This record gives sequence, C-alpha cells and structure tokens, in this order.
Amino acid sequence: NAGVTQTPKFQVLKTGQSMTLQCAQDMNHNSMYWYRQDPGMGLRLIYYSASEGTTDKGEVPNGYNVSRLNKREFSLRLESAAPSQTSVYFCASNLGQLNTGELFFGEGSRLTVL
Amino acid sequence: KQEVTQIPAALSVPEGENLVLNCSFTDSAIYNLQWFRQDPGKGLTSLLLIQSSQREQTSGRLNASLDKSSGRSTLYIAASQPGDSATYLCAVRRGKSTFGDGTTLTVKP
Repeated sequence: NAGVTQTPKFQVLKTGQSMTLQCAQDMNHNSMYWYRQDPGMGLRLIYYSASEGTTDKGEVPNGYNVSRLNKREFSLRLESAAPSQTSVYFCASNLGQLNTGELFFGEGSRLTVL
Repeated sequence: KQEVTQIPAALSVPEGENLVLNCSFTDSAIYNLQWFRQDPGKGLTSLLLIQSSQREQTSGRLNASLDKSSGRSTLYIAASQPGDSATYLCAVRRGKSTFGDGTTLTVKP
C-alpha cells in the first residue's frame, strides 16, 4: 500500500519558471490538502479539496493553483516561481469529510527557487 | 483562533527513560487530535488519533491522552530507544487542522 505519493522529491527552479507538484493517494480518500513547511513557520495550508472537482484556498494560497483531477490526484502548480516559495511541500489526505479522519502525509517535495 | 503549543521545543533523554511530550490548545471545541512523528527530511507519520469523545489511545510503547476541558494532550513514550529520536507534532482538528511546532526528541544510547 503506497499511501500518499508525491513527485518530484527535489526540484530547483529559477525565478519566473513554472512547475507542477503531483500528488496521488491510493486509499480512496475524499479530502486532500497541500501544505508548506518552513523553519519557524510550521505547517501552513495552501489549498485543500473536499472532494473530486472542488478546491478551496487555505491560509497561504497566493502564487499557487491546484487541480483535483480525480479522486486520487491533487496537483499544485506554481505559475511563476519566486524565492519566497522555496520550501518543503507536503500533500496529505484523509477519509471522509474535511479534517475528520486520520490524516496521512506524503514524503514531501523539496523546492528551491533561485 | 485555535493556537497549539508544544513545550519544550527540544528534549534530550538517556535510553530507557519514560517520557511525556505535551500539546496545549486554546479552543476545546475540537473534533479530534492527532500525534505525528517526523524524521529529518521526511514526511509526517501518523502515530495516534484521539477522537474528542475518547480519553486515551495506545499503540505499542506509545500512549496519548486527551483532556479537552483543560486543553491538553500528552504523548507518553515508554522505555525510550535511540530510534525514537525525531520531531513529534500534534494537530488539533475541527474545521481545519492546526499544528504545533513540534518537540524534537533526542534519545541518547
């Protein structure tokens, strides 16, 4: 059972470049989330999705877009990367409604923007 | 606004010691509370989930308690081992998940 899988694990971008972080879960979970983790700032919610076809902004959505392609996949896109977006990005999911069931995380995607 | 505090930020103990990690929250109207472990450079691994109606949950050497009225949860680790060295985070959940900053535990051989 793979759980939550994120790709890529590492990425270096130049300012202004775009990229998409991919996330897939094989647990038939309804709710999915994207977080970023920064030293001294903890985990901050970027976007979330309560079900296939729905997405909503979290605490720090500026500079990001998301797509809930189907029940399994939830992608995060940086349209024009900035150094402030250097961070570790985590995808997470849970069964059932938002923030109810046990939350499972991926291994993270480490992004550096030069 | 829910605030979650984990004190101390870091803890170092000798192998074999029993220890308690603390998680405090300001709003007792929670749905559940979840404890995680994070190893350096890795994701968060779920340890225990306590529903608001429960007082405690156990898994192996781990025991988590929840006291909503006082806004506290503790994670008890029995007979600590060097492999327990990691950062432990708690998340309080209702409508959204609010995470603490974590306690970094070092267990010395």
